[in-house]
Parts: sequence; C-alpha cells; structure tokens
Amino acid sequence: KQEVTQIPAALSVPEGENLVLNCSFTDSAIYNLQWFRQDPGKGLTSLLLIQSSQREQTSGRLNASLDKSSGRSTLYIAASQPGDSATYLCAVREMGNTPLVFGKGTRLSVIA
Amino acid sequence: DVKVTQSSRYLVKRTGEKVFLECVQDMDHENMFWYRQDPGLGLRLIYFSYDVKMKEKGDIPEGYSVSREKKERFSLILESASTNQTSMYLCASSLNPSEQFFGPGTRLTVL
Repeated sequence: KQEVTQIPAALSVPEGENLVLNCSFTDSAIYNLQWFRQDPGKGLTSLLLIQSSQREQTSGRLNASLDKSSGRSTLYIAASQPGDSATYLCAVREMGNTPLVFGKGTRLSVIA
Repeated sequence: DVKVTQSSRYLVKRTGEKVFLECVQDMDHENMFWYRQDPGLGLRLIYFSYDVKMKEKGDIPEGYSVSREKKERFSLILESASTNQTSMYLCASSLNPSEQFFGPGTRLTVL
C-alpha cells in the first residue's frame, strides 16, 4: 500500500531564506504528484502538478522536482516571505483512476 | 478558474441529527471526493465518485453515505450525527486523472 511521508512535520525559518520541503513515497509506480498549500481553517490550494514523465515544475518562487525511481519529491521555495507560512502537503496518484494518497504535511512558519 | 463550493463554512448540529453537506463544482469534472481532516491524522478519504450515480468507499466510510444525482453535485450524508464526527470536511473534484481542486471546507461541530 502506497505511503507518503513528509519530513519535517514543522519548520521555522527567517524571512528571505531559501528552503526545501521533502516528500517521499514508497511505491514508485505513480501517475503524478501534486503539491498543495493549506492555510489554517481553509481548504487546500493546488500549487504544482508534476506528471510522472516530468522532472520538475515551476511557478513563480516555487519549484517542485520529482525523482520517481528514488520515490522522492522536493518543493523549493525561494526567498521565503511571512505570507508563505502555511501547511504544505504532497500527494501522489497511482496508476489508473485512483484517489490521491496524501502525506500529513509540513507546517512552515516564516518569521519576519 | 475551477470553482468547488461547499454549502456551509461552519455548521453546528446535535447528536442524532441527520446532516447534509453539499459540494458543487463548475468544471464538468467526473471525479468528486469527500475527506475529513483531523489534527494529527491528516486527510482521510470518506467516499468518492467517478460518475453520476456511482460511489466508492474510501478509507473511513462508516457512519457516512453519499449521493451523486448530478455530475456537478456530490452530497455527504451523516445519517445520525455523533460527536466523533466533529471535524473539518473537505470536498474535491478532478478530471481523470488530472489536477485535483478543493473546496473551502466545512467545519462541523456535533454537540
């Protein structure tokens, strides 16, 4: 059974720092991987979707990479800002029309 | 932009009441999902649907049922609400098997 792990569970950094959030999954036979952001008490906002054939995707200050063979993805945030403070979740979709399998997220605090 | 809406942001119900949570998406997505989210437990899938009148059990279907009479609408039903169903409920939709979009969530409190 696919398992998705995000370490660390919480991270605190000073404003302006570049940072990396990690996501690992146990079964490399995935169709795609999606990164989400969740603000307290709110729904999830899709940040980036990486297909299994892709190595990375970029959106503004965010860059997500995927190494399917090693079962890892990273979300790189450049020049972090207090507004980036949120919980970041990754999720993988396995082959076929199957539901996403979610990690438990990394809670990020960016201190001004 | 894809829009997923949920009928209520906050809901307070009494034990034993029948509760309906409604979710509507406006992008003709085939797939719709209901999750609950609790501290320390993460997101857990309750039910999902790949088409009208179709439903599949997720990881924690006990105590819940769903209805999908129209493609754009997916309802979660708590037949007899209990205090352990106090939670944040999140609805999502997607095309098969593409990017998934979430609604704003419903914070349900059962007293």
